[in-house]
Amino acid sequence: GQNIDQPTEMTATEGAIVQINCTYQTSGFNGLFWYQQHAGEAPTFLSYNVLDGLEEKGRFSSFLSRSKGYSYLLLKELQMKDSASYLCAVRRGNTPLVFGKGTRLSVIA
Amino acid sequence: SAVISQKPSRDICQRGTSLTIQCQVDSQVTMMFWYRQQPGQSLTLIATANQGSEATYESGFVIDKFPISRPNLTFSTLTVSNMSPEDSSIYLCSVWGLTSADTQYFGPGTRLTVL
Repeated sequence: GQNIDQPTEMTATEGAIVQINCTYQTSGFNGLFWYQQHAGEAPTFLSYNVLDGLEEKGRFSSFLSRSKGYSYLLLKELQMKDSASYLCAVRRGNTPLVFGKGTRLSVIA
Repeated sequence: SAVISQKPSRDICQRGTSLTIQCQVDSQVTMMFWYRQQPGQSLTLIATANQGSEATYESGFVIDKFPISRPNLTFSTLTVSNMSPEDSSIYLCSVWGLTSADTQYFGPGTRLTVL
């Protein structure tokens, strides 16, 4: 099976930086994905890591350590529109993604 | 990328009835996936729909309750049978992108409410 853990809720201030952590346990690891999901909408892809290290895409960065089964999503210069759920998901081999429970981020003024 | 459409976008149904959700993809894909997202929860995989063979169901999901069709490489249906209020969820269709380094794409979802 696969265990994927991430915090349930986080709150951060507009303009600040927030880090959302994700830990996982799986065999046949083949990538870790982060998605953003606004209320009432489908998840949209943010980032993908399959090798250790940091991937940067504008205000969003994602880090992976395969030996530690650990990833984080870093959001910089937070905006109100970043208030959403952030879903960590793991790919095992060629199987479909398995999702964590999601972290609901609230950005406050 | 892949463009996915679903019909209906939402429905309100009576207990004991069935609803069939359609998923259309703009390119040919080998596997299509059906997920469920219950209120306030994350996504749970229901089954993988393969063209030309029976769907593969995840633990806790059975064909009698969630029959799936996959008549060709761009289309699939999921039926939610004999519905109860516990089936109220968003149902999402998903496919992998076209390259090995691509991500998994999701349709807009079907929001189902069972009374």
